[in-house]
Amino acid sequence: SQELEQSPQSLIVQEGKNLTINCTSSKTLYGLYWYKQKYGEGLIFLMMLQKGGEEKSHEKITAKLDEKKQQSSLHITASQPSHAGIYLCGADGTGTASKLTFGTGTRLQVTL
Amino acid sequence: DAGITQSPRHKVTETGTPVTLRCHQTENHRYMYWYRQDPGHGLRLIHYSYGVKDTDKGEVSDGYSVSRSKTEDFLLTLESATSSQTSVYFCAISRPGGKGRDSYEQYFGPGTRLTVT
Repeated sequence: SQELEQSPQSLIVQEGKNLTINCTSSKTLYGLYWYKQKYGEGLIFLMMLQKGGEEKSHEKITAKLDEKKQQSSLHITASQPSHAGIYLCGADGTGTASKLTFGTGTRLQVTL
Repeated sequence: DAGITQSPRHKVTETGTPVTLRCHQTENHRYMYWYRQDPGHGLRLIHYSYGVKDTDKGEVSDGYSVSRSKTEDFLLTLESATSSQTSVYFCAISRPGGKGRDSYEQYFGPGTRLTVT
């Protein structure tokens, strides 16, 4: 079965600083999904990457997919308190987009 | 917002009792999913459906059953709840993404927090 490892597990950054979260898969990636979750709430879809080298942005959040390395990175520029939460990556390892495997998440805190 | 609602949002039940959670969608998407979220395990797929009366097992299906008699509703049943089933349960749907014929995006409901005492 496919496994996803996220790093770091938790992160505390000062407001205005940049940060990167990584998601590495044990198997080939057919699609990589990024979500954000606030404590006690549902998952908010951020973006999906399908092709190697693909890069997408959502407001100040940019994600890239490195297919050869079976890895994706999520980069936040000039972090704000509103960016705080848990970031989850999910992988489509079958190519059918029918079942996703998720990492355990990265908890981000943004201090003033 | 993908028009997904879950009910109830919170439930406390006793060990051995049956429990049914409901997921309702308003956009007639074919694929629907049930996940559970636990600390240290992330999200794990329980069951999913690819159409009315068409369902399949996920990674952690033991102790759970599902039914889908209408496109808009996907029910998750715990036949005899156990304390290990205390969790947050999320329903999700897949809908076509913006690009590519095989591009699908999964959207999640608000979750149901279930406590089995």
